Amino acid sequence: DIQMTQSPSSLSASVGDRVTITCRASQTISGYLNWYQQKPGKAPKLLIYAASTLQSGVPSRFSGSGSGTDFSLTISSLQPEDCASYYCQQSYSTPQTFGQGTKVEIK
Amino acid sequence: EVQLVQSGAEVKKPGESLKISCQASGYSFTTYWIGWVRQMPGKGLEWMGIIYPGDSDTRYSPSFQGQVTISADKSISTAYLQLSSLKASDTAMYYCARGTPNYFDPWGQGTLVTVSS
Repeated sequence: DIQMTQSPSSLSASVGDRVTITCRASQTISGYLNWYQQKPGKAPKLLIYAASTLQSGVPSRFSGSGSGTDFSLTISSLQPEDCASYYCQQSYSTPQTFGQGTKVEIK
Repeated sequence: EVQLVQSGAEVKKPGESLKISCQASGYSFTTYWIGWVRQMPGKGLEWMGIIYPGDSDTRYSPSFQGQVTISADKSISTAYLQLSSLKASDTAMYYCARGTPNYFDPWGQGTLVTVSS
């Protein structure tokens, strides 16, 4: 299985801050990397697929980059509604493993 | 609107079996994959497996192979996740999601399974 490692596991930032979450794959996954947002008590929601393509309806303050083994999710200006857990997922090969998640809190 | 609606919460005893359903609407059920994801209490997401209802091609994570069975009924646009010989450690939220297959979108609302004697 391909292992996905996210960092940090949690972070606390102020409204308006730029926030970056990284995700590293244990082997190359080309651009087959997705990002999901999960708010407490809710199902995950797709934010970004294919490393950098913003899903329809997702605010433009979210962006993704990377290829190969190293990827990142950036929130350009953190908003209160962005308080959630974020997960990366590789879809290069099955099982399509997830990272362990990053919990984002507002200071 | 594409929608996945899962069956309701379940409380089971150890050793029992369970079949969770995921009914799809708003798209052609046979032309997209359906995946299943487990989330244990307070933990992250675990990819369990996927099925292509068009031809029932099914892939399992080695972590779940032999422990669960994924199936689909094209006639009613419904996918299933069967869990057998339940243990307390199967207590979790289980999600279905439509797969493209390169990403999951949308997701069902989740089915909470509690296993307790």
